[in-house]
Amino acid sequence: QQQVKQSPQSLIVQKGGISIINCAYENTAFDYFPWYQQFPGKGPALLIAIRPDVSEKKEGRFTISFNKSAKQFSLHIMDSQPGDSATYFCAAHHGRTGANNLFFGTGTRLTVIP
Amino acid sequence: DAGVIQSPRHEVTEMGQEVTLRCKPISGHNSLFWYRQTMMRGLELLIYFNNNVPIDDSGMPEDRFSAKMPNASFSTLKIQPSEPRDSAVYFCASSLRLAGVGEQFFGPGTRLTVL
Repeated sequence: QQQVKQSPQSLIVQKGGISIINCAYENTAFDYFPWYQQFPGKGPALLIAIRPDVSEKKEGRFTISFNKSAKQFSLHIMDSQPGDSATYFCAAHHGRTGANNLFFGTGTRLTVIP
Repeated sequence: DAGVIQSPRHEVTEMGQEVTLRCKPISGHNSLFWYRQTMMRGLELLIYFNNNVPIDDSGMPEDRFSAKMPNASFSTLKIQPSEPRDSAVYFCASSLRLAGVGEQFFGPGTRLTVL
């Protein structure tokens, strides 16, 4: 069973546009929500992360919006650039003692066209 | 630091052969994770270790898969015997776990093809 559900599977955006990727979860024990970015032929790398005590976190053109009551969070990429073309994974950490693994979404392949 | 090192980068083998994937985590990190990535199932956690001890191996698909971490600087993932459905990219990641979860740093992956 997928602990974190991610959509869309793929996304095409014009250069300068806004890319939005959505994730949803059910387990209220999740306490940390990172986004990872993966370029072709590379391993995923941490992009930005949020904890559920805040509703938004912004780092440059990347923003996470978090809705605790709806159990949803999303990644917004403002002024999308061709260099942002990659696969994006949302993830969640279960705040259970001794567990530090992440549950990953299925990924969104973003293509930004010039 | 060189980051997480994985070897080999590419492996092509025939069905029934034994395959061993290797990982060297970032020095000082105390958690190590093995993932498998396919188009169909995305990024799946296979097993992870804390302080060289396996914590959760529920993601290991079957007994053909085994993983070891004999010391803090080396881990192996072994598939014996390999099957065509094992073809995937296998990632190793490491993190420094202090209080709570730490950022995972991924290696470049091993692309495994089983013919």
